[in-house]
Amino acid sequence: KAGVTQTPRYLIKTRGQQVTLSCSPISGHRSVSWYQQTPGQGLQFLFEYFSETQRNKGNFPGRFSGRQFSNSRSEMNVSTLELGDSALYLCASSRTGTDNEQFFGPGTRLTVL
Amino acid sequence: AQSVTQLGSHVSVSEGALVLLRCNYSSSVPPYLFWYVQYPNQGLQLLLKYTSAATLVKGINGFEAEFKKSETSFHLTKPSAHMSDAAEYFCAVSPGGTSYGKLTFGQGTILTVHP
Repeated sequence: KAGVTQTPRYLIKTRGQQVTLSCSPISGHRSVSWYQQTPGQGLQFLFEYFSETQRNKGNFPGRFSGRQFSNSRSEMNVSTLELGDSALYLCASSRTGTDNEQFFGPGTRLTVL
Repeated sequence: AQSVTQLGSHVSVSEGALVLLRCNYSSSVPPYLFWYVQYPNQGLQLLLKYTSAATLVKGINGFEAEFKKSETSFHLTKPSAHMSDAAEYFCAVSPGGTSYGKLTFGQGTILTVHP
């Protein structure tokens, strides 16, 4: 069974640009959560999608957005990139998101110059 | 609001020695608690989870953790460290229900294992 995949694995952008990251969950999983990992702030929850609806949201500015498609694949978008957005972005999937293990992908390393 | 505190950002042990990684939580509701491990350039892997079924939880790779409500602790232990245990470990808490997927993580503890 294939694991959670994230594309691209590495990304370099400049300030002011926007970026879209993609996450393909494990087959049959309907919940996808996104996390930002930085050396200073650690792992922080961005948002969770379930059945194409945002079910939970973290404390990030509106520049961070996401969506989920009918096949459960999810994308997150960051607009007007700032240097502080440089981070490892992790997504995690689970069957229902209410009582199941979250499986994490390898992450996308975003560098903002 | 929920929070997690991991005591000690770095822990160093000798191979074969006891591993003890400390985690204290704050939660206004009965929590779900987790320990994850992260190897360099990889995502997170679940070691074990507490969901109120048993206070002593056994996980993968010989790790276990004990939930102590009176101490609001969920410390991770392993009787004998292996070189392959060297990694970063994260304790996390979830409120459960429809917010189960909203994990709050501790700052992480880097475990170094010396030969």
